[in-house]
Amino acid sequence: DAKTTQPNSMESNEEEPVHLPCNHSTISGTDYIHWYRQLPSQGPEYVIHGLTSNVNNRMASLAIAEDRKSSTLILHRATLRDAAVYYCILRGNTPLVFGKGTRLSVIA
Amino acid sequence: DAGVTQSPTHLIKTRGQQVTLRCSPKSGHDTVSWYQQALGQGPQFIFQYYEEEERQRGNFPDRFSGHQFPNYSSELNVNALLLGDSALYLCASSLNPGVNTGELFFGEGSRLTVL
Repeated sequence: DAKTTQPNSMESNEEEPVHLPCNHSTISGTDYIHWYRQLPSQGPEYVIHGLTSNVNNRMASLAIAEDRKSSTLILHRATLRDAAVYYCILRGNTPLVFGKGTRLSVIA
Repeated sequence: DAGVTQSPTHLIKTRGQQVTLRCSPKSGHDTVSWYQQALGQGPQFIFQYYEEEERQRGNFPDRFSGHQFPNYSSELNVNALLLGDSALYLCASSLNPGVNTGELFFGEGSRLTVL
């Protein structure tokens, strides 16, 4: 399975933007980049996904590098409810394979 | 519209026993995947069911087995429990397992403790 590299943890102030990086240098042409997050005591929830172009939805934005070897999940205004573990996952025609993700702490 | 529901939410077993966990997928979903999440780790894929058959399997021993029913609900069975099987077991549902853009919807999990 293609692998991703994320920082173990990040910290953000409330109401500030957060940029969560992900490196995936071995990505193949057909892999989609998926982001999920897991709030405390809950199952993971889908955040966003993309292939080549930047993507926006109500939760976040996904910026994908031109060579697709890295991507960044952008939370435009972090709230306390955004404190979670964020997983960057490459998905081909295979099940989701989770790494350890980035633990985001949000400070009031 | 109910999301993914799992039962039981918590259970305690002893080594050597067997356990069955249950999952009802989100309405309209036909594919169920099971994941094991140890404390402090990301979820690990166990297997995926579609059309009542196991379609893909992760690196888990045969002690882990499953079933999918005609109404798309699913069970995960673990035999001969080991202490290391203590974990949160997550069920996820989706449409069409062959589509790599498909969003997975997860339940809140069943917390298994093996003593």
